Amino acid sequence: AQRVTQPEKLLSVFKGAPVELKCNYSYSGSPELFWYVQYSRQRLQLLLRHISRESIKGFTADLNKGETSFHLKKPFAQEEDSAMYYCALRGTGANNLFFGTGTRLTVIP
Amino acid sequence: DAGVIQSPRHEVTEMGQEVTLRCKPISGHNSLFWYRQTMMRGLELLIYFNNNVPIDDSGMPEDRFSAKMPNASFSTLKIQPSEPRDSAVYFCASLSRNTGELFFGEGSRLTVL
Repeated sequence: AQRVTQPEKLLSVFKGAPVELKCNYSYSGSPELFWYVQYSRQRLQLLLRHISRESIKGFTADLNKGETSFHLKKPFAQEEDSAMYYCALRGTGANNLFFGTGTRLTVIP
Repeated sequence: DAGVIQSPRHEVTEMGQEVTLRCKPISGHNSLFWYRQTMMRGLELLIYFNNNVPIDDSGMPEDRFSAKMPNASFSTLKIQPSEPRDSAVYFCASLSRNTGELFFGEGSRLTVL
């Protein structure tokens, strides 16, 4: 069975401080991992995916298969980063995504 | 493209009433998903379709919930009879086969009194 765990429902950091949103997964095969973000009054949208290995809006996430983690990081948080963040997993050969419970990030000015 | 279109955006109804949520996926996307979002459980997959065929409905809470996709451009999620615990935001999403990215609608916020 596949499972995505985001241990923090709420996370607050000061502007300019580093931020890390935790995501752990459980899956027996080789999953594809994603981070989706929902800004206030906007649609849920893709932020980044592990196979792209890219930085989006200053965020990066590295897939650590040993620790089964895919934490989202940014060295210097900005106010516009305040949003709901969801970690998601897609199993091998599957179409559907399984989401974690989400973490609401608040960046304090 | 206007993206995934959902209606209604908001619905307030009384317990026992039938609720129908509608979704129009992005043209050309062959997979459609219904998710429910709550504070406690986050985003739960209810059901998804490939080429209009239901593939996995194991997330549908109970027999009161049903979903259909009569053609490639339209899907419905029906709750009959509705209960207060069904109150949530229901999202529809369609999948780009080219990129593997899910595109979400704006959601339908349901309140059952």
